[in-house]
Amino acid sequence: KAGVTQTPRYLIKTRGQQVTLSCSPISGHRSVSWYQQTPGQGLQFLFEYFSETQRNKGNFPGRFSGRQFSNSRSEMNVSTLELGDSALYLCASSLRRDPGELFFGEGSRLTVL
Amino acid sequence: QQQVKQSPQSLIVQKGGISIINCAYENTAFDYFPWYQQFPGKGPALLIAIRPDVSEKKEGRFTISFNKSAKQFSLHIMDSQPGDSATYFCAASNGYTPLVFGKGTRLSVIA
Repeated sequence: KAGVTQTPRYLIKTRGQQVTLSCSPISGHRSVSWYQQTPGQGLQFLFEYFSETQRNKGNFPGRFSGRQFSNSRSEMNVSTLELGDSALYLCASSLRRDPGELFFGEGSRLTVL
Repeated sequence: QQQVKQSPQSLIVQKGGISIINCAYENTAFDYFPWYQQFPGKGPALLIAIRPDVSEKKEGRFTISFNKSAKQFSLHIMDSQPGDSATYFCAASNGYTPLVFGKGTRLSVIA
């Protein structure tokens, strides 16, 4: 059974640009969550989608947005990139919405210069 | 506002020793407490989880101890091995709220 797939794995952008990250959840999983991981802050919640609807949103500026498609695949977008957006962005999928096991991908490492 | 406080930030343990990582939470509505393990270059993976109706849960060498009155829970790794060297995250959730993670503990097990 394939795991959570995130693309691209690595990318470098400059300040002011925008970026789109993609996540393919485990087959059959309908819930997708996104987290930002940085050395100083650990894992911080960005958003959660279930059946194409955003169910929860973390405390991030409006430059961070996301969506989920009918096949449960998800994308997140960051516009007007800032140096502080450099981080590992992790996507996780789960079978249901209730607290249970999150299956994480290996992440997309974004570097903003 | 950090809802889950994790300590220590880093930990060095001799092979065969016991590794102990502690977490404290603020929200008394939390009712699910997992621990995740992350190796370099990989995403976190669920290690073990507990709900507040029990005070301890053991899976192999890994044990979660839970103290509801103190709002604390801890991970104990018995007979620590070099292969256990990783970053460990505690987390907490309530119903449909997203998992809130601690800032992580980098464990190094040395021979």
